[in-house]
Amino acid sequence: LAKTTQPISMDSYEGQEVNITCSHNNIATNDYITWYQQFPSQGPRFIIQGYKTKVTNEVASLFIPADRKSSTLSLPRVSLSDTAVYYCLVGSGAAGRRALTFGSGTRLQVQP
Amino acid sequence: GAVVSQHPSRVICKSGTSVKIECRSLDFQATTMFWYRQFPKQSLMLMATSNEGSKATYEQGVEKDKFLINHASLTLSTLTVTSAHPEDSSFYICSARDQEGRGLYNEQFFGPGTRLTVL
Repeated sequence: LAKTTQPISMDSYEGQEVNITCSHNNIATNDYITWYQQFPSQGPRFIIQGYKTKVTNEVASLFIPADRKSSTLSLPRVSLSDTAVYYCLVGSGAAGRRALTFGSGTRLQVQP
Repeated sequence: GAVVSQHPSRVICKSGTSVKIECRSLDFQATTMFWYRQFPKQSLMLMATSNEGSKATYEQGVEKDKFLINHASLTLSTLTVTSAHPEDSSFYICSARDQEGRGLYNEQFFGPGTRLTVL
């Protein structure tokens, strides 16, 4: 499974856009990029998934450049409730029976 | 849909006792479930892969005799921490993937976690 590298922590203020970048230099052709959110004392929650270019849902956008060696999770207009740890994971569907490998994640702190 | 539950959500026990944690897929079937452990301020660490009808596969460094896993049905996996000690205190999380393929590519659904405190 491809290793991922993310910033350990980020700070932001309410109403700002937050971009969290993840590096995955050895991503494989079949790998998808998935982001999860985790609040304290809760299980991770799926945010968004993509393979290339841009994906947008009601919660976030995911930008993936052509070489796919990195990806950026974009959270528009964050609120205090977006304070959480965000994990970037890379893997293939063929590994569906394999567990997800979590990196260190990015601890986002949103302040008023 | 695609909900995973865990029971109990929180448990406190005395050192030396055994604790069972249940993981259930409520609206889908899962031939494979995964158990993670998370210490404070740390990431999730995979402990074992639970396979319905067969033995679990444990990650290196995880004692299979201490962390007993039983995947009795397509919707239930249990993790039993035997002879628990204070160092076993942690947040235990299970996950599962819908074997029918619901959800996105390789998406796994996580339970809410179980906080174990061993006194």
